[in-house]
Amino acid sequence: AQSVTQLDSQVPVFEEAPVELRCNYSSSVSVYLFWYVQYPNQGLQLLLKYLSGSTLVESINGFEAEFNKSQTSFHLRKPSVHISDTAEYFCAVSRTGGYNKLIFGAGTRLAVHP
Amino acid sequence: DTGVSQDPRHKITKRGQNVTFRCDPISEHNRLYWYRQTLGQGPEFLTYFQNEAQLEKSRLLSDRFSAERPKGSFSTLEIQRTEQGDSAMYLCASSSQTSGRGIEQFFGPGTRLTVL
Repeated sequence: AQSVTQLDSQVPVFEEAPVELRCNYSSSVSVYLFWYVQYPNQGLQLLLKYLSGSTLVESINGFEAEFNKSQTSFHLRKPSVHISDTAEYFCAVSRTGGYNKLIFGAGTRLAVHP
Repeated sequence: DTGVSQDPRHKITKRGQNVTFRCDPISEHNRLYWYRQTLGQGPEFLTYFQNEAQLEKSRLLSDRFSAERPKGSFSTLEIQRTEQGDSAMYLCASSSQTSGRGIEQFFGPGTRLTVL
C-alpha cells in the first residue's frame, strides 16, 4: 500500500518570496508522483508529474519538484510566488503500471500575502 | 475536449434520502474514477471503471453506495439512505489508457453533498 504525508497544512508567504511545500511518500513498489492544485471553487488540476528520467520536473508556471528516492520525497518549490498562486496543493502517488489509482496527501494551503 | 463534467454541482438532502450523481468523462476516455474529499482532507479513492467494468471498489464504499457505467461512457454514483457522514465533495476523474497522456487523470468540478 502507498501513503502520502504533506508535512505542512498551511504555508503563509509574502508575494515574491520563495516557497517549498513538502511531500513524503511511503511505498513498497515503484510509484509515479504528482502535484495537483485546487484553486478556490475549482476542480483539481495537474501541476506536474514525475514518471521516470530526470528527477527534476517543472511546470509551465514556474513551479518545480524534485524526486528524491533515498528520502522518499517529492517537494514542490517556486523561487518567487504570486498572489495568484494562492490555492490548495495536493501531492499524490500511484503505482507504476495498473490503472493508476491516486493516493493523495491531506493537502497544503498556500496563502500568498501582498 | 470539453473536460469532465459533473451534475449536480451542489446537492442538499435530508438524512435517509437517496441521491444520485452523474459524471460525464472526456469523450473516448475509457478509465473513470470516483473520489471523495472531506473538509481538510485530500481526495480518497472510491471506485474505478475500465470501460463499463467496475474493477475496484474501496472499502470506503459501504453497501449503501453503488456506481455504474452502463455503456462505458457516463457514470452514476448513488448513495442510499444518506447519513450526515456522507457529506463531502464527490469528484470524478477520467483518463485514457491508450493515449500518451494516459497517466494523467482529468478531474471534474465535483458535486458537493450536504446531508442535513
